[in-house]
Amino acid sequence: DTGVSQDPRHKITKRGQNVTFRCDPISEHNRLYWYRQTLGQGPEFLTYFQNEAQLEKSRLLSDRFSAERPKGSFSTLEIQRTEQGDSAMYLCASSAPQGAEAFFGQGTRLTVV
Amino acid sequence: DQQVKQNSPSLSVQEGRISILNCDYTNSMFDYFLWYKKYPAEGPTFLISISSIKDKNEDGRFTVFLNKSAKHLSLHIVPSQPGDSAVYFCAGLIIQGAQKLVFGQGTRLTINP
Repeated sequence: DTGVSQDPRHKITKRGQNVTFRCDPISEHNRLYWYRQTLGQGPEFLTYFQNEAQLEKSRLLSDRFSAERPKGSFSTLEIQRTEQGDSAMYLCASSAPQGAEAFFGQGTRLTVV
Repeated sequence: DQQVKQNSPSLSVQEGRISILNCDYTNSMFDYFLWYKKYPAEGPTFLISISSIKDKNEDGRFTVFLNKSAKHLSLHIVPSQPGDSAVYFCAGLIIQGAQKLVFGQGTRLTINP
């Protein structure tokens, strides 16, 4: 399977715990994105990497959120001290250097209880 | 600031008929518009795109029309099939910088047999 891969698919955590999600993009794609989707809404942009450099962060990304893309390959998104409002689908996408379309992974569904 | 709007939360169409999904936007800087299809518990799947310099793009059963003066685009699916039942998102893209997608809220399409 050469698509975007996300792990885990589902995560249930208690409020206040830390969680980390992983994304493996399509191998030749140098652009990687994280989005968040809540019920009834379209995906909202969180952050963007070009290779290993994090070039843009949304104001939605509070200081409890951190993302990394070491070596420009896979990426991780960590949420510290989770809150119930963090419950959402977290989507990773990647795109080729000259491509307009982004390809999404299957997402990680986070539920904070 | 909702730059991309899908004003119809849901649409029901009979199998074999044409489905027309609409999208309006406010940002004249978008260079591309993309349509994504999303099944429950999965990530969005890219369907079709159109450059802002075009007024039509066709791919099999899917055609996207762009009316720049009205800041309106539509996705036509003909003939509609039961497997087309999903949530459809339109998104705008500016190719400078992060190339992040700005999504509408989505329209749930149901194809009835």
